[in-house]
Order: sequence, then structure tokens, then C-alpha cells
Amino acid sequence: EAGVAQSPRYKIIEKRQSVAFWCNPISGHATLYWYQQILGQGPKLLIQFQNNGVVDDSQLPKDRFSAERLKGVDSTLKIQPAKLEDSAVYLCASSLVPRGRRQGTQYFGPGTRLTVL
Amino acid sequence: AQRVTQPEKLLSVFKGAPVELKCNYSYSGSPELFWYVQYSRQRLQLLLRHISRESIKGFTADLNKGETSFHLKKPFAQEEDSAMYYCALSGANTGFQKLVFGTGTRLLVSP
Repeated sequence: EAGVAQSPRYKIIEKRQSVAFWCNPISGHATLYWYQQILGQGPKLLIQFQNNGVVDDSQLPKDRFSAERLKGVDSTLKIQPAKLEDSAVYLCASSLVPRGRRQGTQYFGPGTRLTVL
Repeated sequence: AQRVTQPEKLLSVFKGAPVELKCNYSYSGSPELFWYVQYSRQRLQLLLRHISRESIKGFTADLNKGETSFHLKKPFAQEEDSAMYYCALSGANTGFQKLVFGTGTRLLVSP
């Protein structure tokens, strides 16, 4: 099966500019996640969708970050305006929770490396 | 608060030597623990989860609730094991599906 797709793979912008990332999850996966991974740290969940509804966005800096998952499939994550500290790899993941289980395996995309100058 | 601690940033061993990557956690209740791995130029992927009690690529990990640890072990390291390893947890306190990751340990296996 095709894996999680993300684009672009790399992005360089100047601070105060805007940027958007796109994610296409594995077909049929109802749950979609966006993680931020700063250099030297583990991934940190920014937002979790179940179909097209938000389950958890407690760690999303909502003054500058926004995300949507229209039609419960693809998702976009936007930063406006970007700050230097937003330089990181942004990972998208998706999962399908098997019946009778509390969670399913998360499958990660290749990530988008963002550099803010 | 939920937290995962991986005390070693880098672990360097020779081929054939035993490997133990340490993971300690802080969690109120019964968490589910995972090890994820990222090989060079590849995606982050699940290596194993404690509830499966399985051995993957020769790696095993036992959940020790008394010591709140979930160390990853392999008796004889191979060069192809060189990668970045992340310990992670989830549970009712995190909404089950949300993963909390440690900072990772880079394993380098030399010939």
C-alpha cells in the first residue's frame, strides 16, 4: 500500500512569511496527526484529527499555526507568520484503529524540513 | 505529567556486542510503551510495542512498572541496526492515540 505522502520535502522562508504543508494519509486511515520535531528532540504532537474533526490541538500555537482536514482525507498545516523557532521537521502520520483496540499503529510520512531565516 | 526520558544521546558499540537502549517514563496509570526507529534516509517506523511481547529484528523490550522502564535490548548488534531510536508512550491520560516521545538515542554499530 502507498505510504503517507507529504509535500514539500524542504522549505526555506524568512521570518514573518507564511508557509503551508500538505499531507495525504494512507487510504482509509481515519486518524491523522501533525508532529513538530525540533533538532535534537523527539516528535511533539501538534494536532490530531479523527476524520475531519479535531481530537487534540492542545499543543498547537493557535496564534500562528492552523490546520484543517477537509473531507476527512488530506490535511494542510499552515504557519502565519513564521518565527525562527519554527524551524523543524513537520511530520504527518496516520492510523487506523482496529476494531476492539484502543489505538492503531501510526505510519509516518517523510516529513517537511522547514528552515526559517 | 507524562514524560519519556532517554538518557543517552549516542550509544556506540561494536558489531556482535550486546546493546541496551534505556528508556524511563513518568505516567499515572497504565501506559502503553513503544519503540520507534528511524534508519538513515527512511521514515520513522514502529519497531515494537510492549503489549505485543514480540521480538523484532532480534530486539526485545520488557516493561518494568516498578522501575518505570522500557529498555530496548539486543544480544548481538549488527551494523544494520545503526539508526535513531525513540521510546514513546500513550495511554488513557494522553487520549490513547497520542504518542509522547523521548528525545531519542542514536545507535552506532561499528564493524
